Amino acid sequence: DAGVIQSPRHEVTEMGQEVTLRCKPISGHNSLFWYRQTMMRGLELLIYFNNNVPIDDSGMPEDRFSAKMPNASFSTLKIQPSEPRDSAVYFCASGGGVETQYFGPGTRLLVL
Amino acid sequence: QKEVEQNSGPLSVPEGAIASLNCTYSDRGSQSFFWYRQYSGKSPELIMSIYSNGDKEDGRFTAQLNKASQYVSLLIRDSQPSDSATYLCAVNDPGNNRKLIWGLGTSLAVNP
Repeated sequence: DAGVIQSPRHEVTEMGQEVTLRCKPISGHNSLFWYRQTMMRGLELLIYFNNNVPIDDSGMPEDRFSAKMPNASFSTLKIQPSEPRDSAVYFCASGGGVETQYFGPGTRLLVL
Repeated sequence: QKEVEQNSGPLSVPEGAIASLNCTYSDRGSQSFFWYRQYSGKSPELIMSIYSNGDKEDGRFTAQLNKASQYVSLLIRDSQPSDSATYLCAVNDPGNNRKLIWGLGTSLAVNP
């Protein structure tokens, strides 16, 4: 099993640009979580999907953030326009239940 | 505001000693408790879960739960330099079981 796959692994962009992060969950998992991690705020849940349906997006910081899961094997997190304060590590995790969250390697985003 | 609190550390122990990591949580309704390990630059990985009061042992790791005191701990026996990492405590959100509430983590350094 390849585990959760995320791309890109690193992204450097300029303020105002659109950023799209991608995630392929583990096959058979029906839950998908997007997290953001910073030193100051730790690990924050942005949004999660169950069976491809967004269940809770209360952690999405602003309208600049959006997430989609068009099918069971793919999800995107988009930031438009990006700002320097969005710089963080973004993790995607998948699982069959809350106690089985498996994290991807993360995307390190730097917005200049 | 539901919270999970951990001492940020760093906690420094000599090789072979017992490392004790502590976590308190605010919502008495939480029923599921998890310890994740995160190496520097890597993603969190689940190492222990506990659901009932008392101790749960897995190899060199022991999780301890006291729901009355809203306290969960992780003991690492015979600490090794490879245990040096940040340990994240997470508990389920009683209002939404698929969500986890995360602590900021405790940094552990095991010195040879």
